[in-house]
Amino acid sequence: GNSVTQMEGPVTLSEEAFLTINCTYTATGYPSLFWYVQYPGEGLQLLLKATKADDKGSNKGFEATYRKETTSFHLEKGSVQVSDSAVYFCALSDGGSNYKLTFGKGTLLTVNP
Amino acid sequence: GAGVSQSPSNKVTEKGKDVELRCDPISGHTALYWYRQSLGQGLEFLIYFQGNSAPDKSGLPSDRFSAERTGGSVSTLTIQRTQQEDSAVYLCASSRQLAGDVWGKQETQYFGPGTRLLVL
Repeated sequence: GNSVTQMEGPVTLSEEAFLTINCTYTATGYPSLFWYVQYPGEGLQLLLKATKADDKGSNKGFEATYRKETTSFHLEKGSVQVSDSAVYFCALSDGGSNYKLTFGKGTLLTVNP
Repeated sequence: GAGVSQSPSNKVTEKGKDVELRCDPISGHTALYWYRQSLGQGLEFLIYFQGNSAPDKSGLPSDRFSAERTGGSVSTLTIQRTQQEDSAVYLCASSRQLAGDVWGKQETQYFGPGTRLLVL
């Protein structure tokens, strides 16, 4: 079956530090890959996505590249801000009949001023 | 425009009671999903509705869980004879999803704020 493994954290960084959150996956077929973010007290929001190998998803300064050879989709940001403090979820969908999302367990990021 | 809404936002119930959780998807979204977010299991898929097709119930953890979607819009997730392990945040998501989608053209799933269920 499908699965997603991401570093569980928590991750604590100072403002303007570089961020990497690792994500690897196992899937049948050729999945689409996603990063979702959950800010404190809010619902899940799509942060970025990539649908085929070597695609780079980007949004709000965050980037992730779909690496089929290493089955990875690591999230990066060059300079984090306090407002980036949230829980980040890596997810995949292999389409099929329902496009359901399979999520990693989430990584709590805290950015200190 | 309005996003996905869920009610109630919080629900406390006693073990053995039945609960109903409601989801109002974004207008025009034909696909609707229920997920569960719990400390031990993370985010898990529960059930999927697409238009008038039979729902995909493959993620429901037991026959105490059921869901329906009336008129292709509002959905209700029902948990009968609740157990303490049912305590979790129940999330609803909706997306545009046209029949015969080309591979890789999955529409974004938009999530509601969730219902936090606590079974005492």
